[in-house]
Parts: sequence; structure tokens; C-alpha cells
Amino acid sequence: ILNVEQSPQSLHVQEGDSTNFTCSFPSSNFYALHWYRWETAKSPEALFVMTLNGDEKKKGRISATLNTKEGYSYLYIKGSQPEDSATYLCAFSFQGGKLIFGQGTELSVKP
Amino acid sequence: SQTIHQWPATLVQPVGSPLSLECTVEGTSNPNLYWYRQAAGRGLQLLFYSVGIGQISSEVPQNLSASRPQDRQFILSSKKLLLSDSGFYLCAWRLGLAGSQETQYFGPGTRLLVL
Repeated sequence: ILNVEQSPQSLHVQEGDSTNFTCSFPSSNFYALHWYRWETAKSPEALFVMTLNGDEKKKGRISATLNTKEGYSYLYIKGSQPEDSATYLCAFSFQGGKLIFGQGTELSVKP
Repeated sequence: SQTIHQWPATLVQPVGSPLSLECTVEGTSNPNLYWYRQAAGRGLQLLFYSVGIGQISSEVPQNLSASRPQDRQFILSSKKLLLSDSGFYLCAWRLGLAGSQETQYFGPGTRLLVL
């Protein structure tokens, strides 16, 4: 059974703090690793798709790294803002483009 | 540009009643289509996916079924709802290419409560 684990489950930080979360996934039969941001009452929004070992991607204050050999990815947020509050999902992509999602990390940024 | 629609946004149904949730995509052709569910306290789980009209793959055994009567229409159904069918249902699409690196784009979702 393919399993994707995310930690921590939830995170409460102050505005301006930098933070990071982890996604662990199977290291065999790897195709791609996806990060999504999901705000309440909205659709999950794609952040990154990462395919190569050592990939680093950046979008504004958010960045992500990928290690396919050991099966993990980190998502970093620099200088968190209240509008970053959301659930961050990672998903492992395998045959046919199907995604297996982790349970998400719920981030709350207090002003 | 592409857009994805789902309706209804919210649904409250009694146990044993039928269900039909609809998803349509605009601005693309021959997309791969997906139905996901998030049950309370759980992550997003893939229920069905489709690579073309009339082609449906089921990921988990359940009380639900899916159909794709047109290229950009994906329907999730049940003949008799169970309490355990409650959850948030998301439809997603991606380009129908062979690679698995393509991003999936999600609709606004349907919140279903079965009482």
C-alpha cells in the first residue's frame, strides 16, 4: 500500500516566523511529487510539481526541495503572513497520473 | 483558459436516497478527470478516474459509481446513500498526456452531509 505522510499535522506560528513541513513518500516507482495549498472554502491550489532528485522550486516566499532517493520533500515558508494560513497538501504521483495525498499540514499564522 | 465547475456546492441528503454530483470542465479537450473525497478527519482519497468517454477506473470499493457521458463531463452517483458517504467531494482535471508530472486542477467541491 502506497502511503504519504505529512508532519506536523498542524502548526501555529507568529507573523514573520519562518516555518517548514515535511512530506514522506515511497522512494520506489517515483514519478512526481505535488504540493498544494488549500484554503478553507476554496479549491486546492497547485504550488509545485517536482520530478527530479535535488529539485528546488520557489514561488514568492514559498519554496520546496525534493529527495527522491530517501523519499521526502520539504516545504518552506519564509516570513509567514496571516494570508499563508491554509492546509498544505503533498501528493505522490504514480501510474496514470493518479495522486495519493498526505493528510496535510494545517498552518495557522497569527498577526 | 480552463475552468472547472461542480454542483451543487452543498447537499444534505437522507440515508438511502440517491445521489448525483456533476463536474464539467471548459477550455480543454480530452482531459483526464478525477473524483476525490475527503471524509471527516481524513486526507483526500481518490475514488475514480477517467481517461476518456465511458472509461472509468475505480480506486476503492464503495457505494458510489462514476460515469463520463461526454468528454468534459464527469458524474458521481449513488443509488442509496450511506452515512459514511458524508464528506467533501472534489473533482479534478489534468491534461490527458502520458506523463504523470502534469498538475491536477481542482473544482470548488461539493460538501455532502448524509443524515
